[in-house]
Amino acid sequence: DPKIIQKPKYLVAVTGSEKILICEQYLGHNAMYWYRQSAKKPLEFMFSYSYQKLMDNQTASSRFQPQSSKKNHLDLQITALKPDDSATYFCASSQVGDTEVFFGKGTRLTVV
Amino acid sequence: GDSVTQTEGLVTVTEGLPVKLNCTYQTTYLTIAFFWYVQYLNEAPQVLLRSSTDNKRTEHQGFHATLHKSSSSFHLQKSSAQLSDSALYYCALRRTGGYKVVFGSGTRLLVSP
Repeated sequence: DPKIIQKPKYLVAVTGSEKILICEQYLGHNAMYWYRQSAKKPLEFMFSYSYQKLMDNQTASSRFQPQSSKKNHLDLQITALKPDDSATYFCASSQVGDTEVFFGKGTRLTVV
Repeated sequence: GDSVTQTEGLVTVTEGLPVKLNCTYQTTYLTIAFFWYVQYLNEAPQVLLRSSTDNKRTEHQGFHATLHKSSSSFHLQKSSAQLSDSALYYCALRRTGGYKVVFGSGTRLLVSP
């Protein structure tokens, strides 16, 4: 059974629209992350959250907003979508202080 | 900031032959954990190897790597490549107690019959 659930698996959006990518983890971890993978940047760190607080933000655009309603949830809201946002978005988690980060299977976003 | 460099974008090797994927890094921190992640087609990245001990060889699934702090390297090797090893490999580092995992640009390994 997958321990990090991402929904949806595939998503097609129109330029200018807004989408929310869902992530929940059942590993008991207290840190969660978002990574993006595209042809231009193979695996790019976006955000890290610990105990539902933003710890690190490497995303320049405010169009990307993480949302954490529970310790094991970290959704990603993307507004004013652009074709360049097309990528696979991976949610990940770990224990704070532990070293290994586990990844979900990703949401493949295509913006047309 | 921390950085990881993988010089080869694509490595091709014939099945049964040895393979080496290069990884070097830059960091100002002393307590760092190093990883090799493997990503199979349409799958999530997963840890293949990890190490934080200088000059100690670590092995898993026939792959091995040794962290050499003197040369800032953590190369991945296998003595006999298998077709099933074809995948995307990322070298990565993480500060102990830190949050962000810094990934290299990835090396695609293609093993041919």
